[in-house]
Amino acid sequence: DTGVSQNPRHKITKRGQNVTFRCDPISEHNRLYWYRQTLGQGPEFLTYFQNEAQLEKSRLLSDRFSAERPKGSFSTLEIQRTEQGDSAMYLCASSLVPSGANVLTFGAGSRLTVL
Amino acid sequence: QKEVEQDPGPLSVPEGAIVSLNCTYSNSAFQYFMWYRQYSRKGPELLMYTYSSGNKEDGRFTAQVDKSSKYISLFIRDSQPSDSATYLCAMTTKTSYDKVIFGPGTSLSVIP
Repeated sequence: DTGVSQNPRHKITKRGQNVTFRCDPISEHNRLYWYRQTLGQGPEFLTYFQNEAQLEKSRLLSDRFSAERPKGSFSTLEIQRTEQGDSAMYLCASSLVPSGANVLTFGAGSRLTVL
Repeated sequence: QKEVEQDPGPLSVPEGAIVSLNCTYSNSAFQYFMWYRQYSRKGPELLMYTYSSGNKEDGRFTAQVDKSSKYISLFIRDSQPSDSATYLCAMTTKTSYDKVIFGPGTSLSVIP
């Protein structure tokens, strides 16, 4: 297993364009999470899935954001009509629950720059 | 007030020093406490976790939790240049187990 994979690693787009990020979690894990991280801040929770079901969404996830996990495998995070404030690192993580503490295994992240 | 606070640093120490990293939190329901390390342009990776109060040691790293003070610490002994990274504390409650809350992180530089 190669861990959590995220693509693309860096996306530069113009304001108003749509972008999509993909995450391939560790196959044995049953939870998948999306976090957003801006410079100098810790990761902020956006949403998570158990298998294909999206169980919780943060109020940070405006209606321009949508996440899917078809068939409970990979996940996509789409941002429509991007704004400069969307510039951030988008981190995907997966975990196996229950397993004591909820230990998240993160991918390397997808960095979004909105011009 | 944020749920989890950390001194952002940067913290700069000479190689071999003992490093103390700390977090305070406001939610007394937090039960699981974790420390992640994040290198530049990488995702965070778990260093260690503890449940409730007490100490836990793993090699050069020791985590301490003081729930009465809502204060957690990570100590790094014999610090190495490879320890230079941002250290993030993270925590969850038993009931909101899936929502891991992170601190803002402390940037550490270990100078050879």
